[in-house]
Amino acid sequence: AQRVTQPEKLLSVFKGAPVELKCNYSYSGSPELFWYVQYSRQRLQLLLRHISRESIKGFTADLNKGETSFHLKKPFAQEEDSAMYYCALSASGTYKYIFGTGTRLKVLA
Amino acid sequence: NAGVTQTPKFQVLKTGQSMTLQCAQDMNHEYMSWYRQDPGMGLRLIHYSVGAGITDQGEVPNGYNVSRSTTEDFPLRLLSAAPSQTSVYFCASSYKGERDGYTFGSGTRLTVV
Repeated sequence: AQRVTQPEKLLSVFKGAPVELKCNYSYSGSPELFWYVQYSRQRLQLLLRHISRESIKGFTADLNKGETSFHLKKPFAQEEDSAMYYCALSASGTYKYIFGTGTRLKVLA
Repeated sequence: NAGVTQTPKFQVLKTGQSMTLQCAQDMNHEYMSWYRQDPGMGLRLIHYSVGAGITDQGEVPNGYNVSRSTTEDFPLRLLSAAPSQTSVYFCASSYKGERDGYTFGSGTRLTVV
């Protein structure tokens, strides 16, 4: 069965510290993975997708097929990074996402 | 270009009442979806559409109906509201589908009492 696991409900880090939000997936096919972010009282926004290998707002994520992971990383956290982060898997040909349960990131001053 | 517009933003219903959550997009996106967001459960797909006249069920379709008569609009109907349908509902659209990334609406917070 297809599944996305975000093991941490809450992650607190100090400003300037490195951040790693974990995402593991279970999918027998070739996955396409995304990270979405939801700032307080705002809509979900696409942060990045593995297929484009881009860096947005200093965040990067590498798809590790051996470990079936797609962890989100940032070397130096900023207070404005505080938000809810969702990892999502696209099941090829099904036109839909499978979302993880989300991780709330709190960046402390 | 307004993106994805959802109305209403808030709604309180009594058990058994029906209502329609509206979703409209002005980006000429073919793909549209409805999700519900519940604490500790992430987002779950209710229904989706790959084009006008084409809809299909997602993970949690029971108690909801959809239709897609135009490319722009994708309303979600609650047939007989139940407290278990208390949630935040998000509509999303995409040009090419899930690979392209979805644009989300601002959500509708629904409470069923």
